[in-house]
Amino acid sequence: DADVTQTPRNRITKTGKRIMLECSQTKGHDRMYWYRQDPGLGLRLIYYSFDVKDINKGEISDGYSVSRQAQAKFSLSLESAIPNQTALYFCATSGGGPVYEQYFGPGTRLTVT
Amino acid sequence: AQSVTQLDSQVPVFEEAPVELRCNYSSSVSVYLFWYVQYPNQGLQLLLKYLSGSTLVKGINGFEAEFNKSQTSFHLRKPSVHISDTAEYFCAVSKGDKIIFGKGTRLHILP
Repeated sequence: DADVTQTPRNRITKTGKRIMLECSQTKGHDRMYWYRQDPGLGLRLIYYSFDVKDINKGEISDGYSVSRQAQAKFSLSLESAIPNQTALYFCATSGGGPVYEQYFGPGTRLTVT
Repeated sequence: AQSVTQLDSQVPVFEEAPVELRCNYSSSVSVYLFWYVQYPNQGLQLLLKYLSGSTLVKGINGFEAEFNKSQTSFHLRKPSVHISDTAEYFCAVSKGDKIIFGKGTRLHILP
């Protein structure tokens, strides 16, 4: 079984709809991250969490919110989806600070029409 | 401020030829540097990292990178590429408790 799983893997939704992307990990890591990948722009950090009670904004948090339900679960929500949120979304975990490897999920491809 | 620049968005190379993917970083303090690889339809995985010590770092799948402080570079190299190396490669630099990724370089292996 994969260490980091994301659901759904693909989602098409309409403008204005609320959508939640879920991430679960079995690595026992405290740190979890949500990134967005757009062609030619690399990965940009949306939100990150260092433990259940710690949530931090990344560089592009506007229009997004997160919930850390447990050490193993970190969800990303789009309260009112818009077309420019169409992207590939990745969840990642790590065991500590930046010297530690980040482990990525397989990604969720989101299309907002 | 810390950032990372990948100088080539795409690099075509013939199979069994050597390849170099270029990365420059900007930082006024000590840094940790990484290369991640993303195979088609997959998430990213770590190729190698530089934390300290030897400036030549060896990673998985025959890749290596050299940290050059004077040129603020961390170029990735492989002496002989294989079709299975087709992927997007991301250079990344530490920034506090986070990692900043470059925009990526797509490696195309030509038969």
